[in-house]
Amino acid sequence: AQSVTQLGSHVSVSEGALVLLRCNYSSSVPPYLFWYVQYPNQGLQLLLKYTSAATLVKGINGFEAEFKKSETSFHLTKPSAHMSDAAEYFCAVSEEGGYNKLIFGAGTRLAVHP
Amino acid sequence: DGGITQSPKYLFRKEGQNVTLSCEQNLNHDAMYWYRQDPGQGLRLIYYSQIVNDFQKGDIAEGYSVSREKKESFPLTVTSAQKNPTAFYLCASTPFGRENIQYFGAGTRLSVL
Repeated sequence: AQSVTQLGSHVSVSEGALVLLRCNYSSSVPPYLFWYVQYPNQGLQLLLKYTSAATLVKGINGFEAEFKKSETSFHLTKPSAHMSDAAEYFCAVSEEGGYNKLIFGAGTRLAVHP
Repeated sequence: DGGITQSPKYLFRKEGQNVTLSCEQNLNHDAMYWYRQDPGQGLRLIYYSQIVNDFQKGDIAEGYSVSREKKESFPLTVTSAQKNPTAFYLCASTPFGRENIQYFGAGTRLSVL
């Protein structure tokens, strides 16, 4: 069965520091992978997605993620954190089969301090 | 503007009461989904629907019911059988295709009085 693991339920960084949020997946077929962001009391917004084109995917707000098949990873990074990046981040993989279902990780809450 | 509208934003349920959460989309998407979000547990799938008049149970369907009478609408009823309904509920929609993005509504926060 497919699964997504996000290492670290809470990550704290200083403003201007590198952001690294980890995501590992399991899938027996080529995966489609997504990163979403959620601000308090809001729905999820797509940051970026991987659909087997370039392995380095650029998203909104300066975020990017690199697909590494050998490591089954899709970590999210941003070179310099802003206060406005404080939110919860979810990694997801599209389930095998035809139902467009997403399997979500448990989420990582990012705190940015001055 | 196209999008997904969930209403109400906040909802309170009394003991033994059924409540219905609304989800409407004008994106012409085929598939729609309901998720429940509890702190620290990510998103759990309640029900999903691929076409009108058809829907499937997700991972935590007990105590919930849905209908899909129109393509643009996918209401969720939280029944009295759901003993712990307090949560944040999110509706999403997407076109067919594993590569496609799920678009989310702003959510409904349900609390028990």
